[in-house]
Amino acid sequence: QVQLQQWGAGLLKPSETLSLTCAVYGGSFSAYYWSWIRQSPGKGLEWIGEINHSGSTNYNPSLKSRVTISVDTSKNQFSLKLSSVTAADTAVYYCARRRYMDVWGKGTTVTVSS
Amino acid sequence: DIVMTQTPLSLPITPGQPASISCKSSQSLLRSDGKTYLYWYLQKPGQPPQLLIYEVSSRFSGVPDRFSGSGSGTDFTLKISRVEAEDVGVYYCLQSIQFPPTFGGGTKVEIK
Repeated sequence: QVQLQQWGAGLLKPSETLSLTCAVYGGSFSAYYWSWIRQSPGKGLEWIGEINHSGSTNYNPSLKSRVTISVDTSKNQFSLKLSSVTAADTAVYYCARRRYMDVWGKGTTVTVSS
Repeated sequence: DIVMTQTPLSLPITPGQPASISCKSSQSLLRSDGKTYLYWYLQKPGQPPQLLIYEVSSRFSGVPDRFSGSGSGTDFTLKISRVEAEDVGVYYCLQSIQFPPTFGGGTKVEIK
């Protein structure tokens, strides 16, 4: 049974860089794309981007200029960086398996506040 | 981006009664491979969304058979044959035929 465990800083100041990591336990890491999604009261559920084991990425155009998703296949982990955060980036961030998200992490609440 | 529109926004239901949620997409979700890239999720309070239905009508592993999905092209429906107390939460549809994948705004199901 595949499980996703995520972690990262929960409180940021404006202009800082958000950094989250998701570890995959069980199942195949190389067979899938791995996604990041966020959920805020104002914008609902928003897909951020995805990566596969070889490092091929796809990003949401609305965030592409600030997003970097990377992978560490030696640890079965993938990471999200979002630069120059503002209050609008305050949200619960989830990692998930596949573009259509069949398995989810528990979520990390990220608050951006001065 | 493809816009996903769900109705109703809120659905008060008596346990044991059926429920139906609609999702309409701004473009067809049928691809040339014959698959339709429409998915349904349930988000229970304090939890991440959980996949219920994939490709319109296929139930994900462990999903009770009281949940069913139907539709084609741009119009889709999720039905719960007999609502149970554990079915409360917010239901979302998702399209993944086109980047970026986009979600509907959600339908909140609550028990009367």
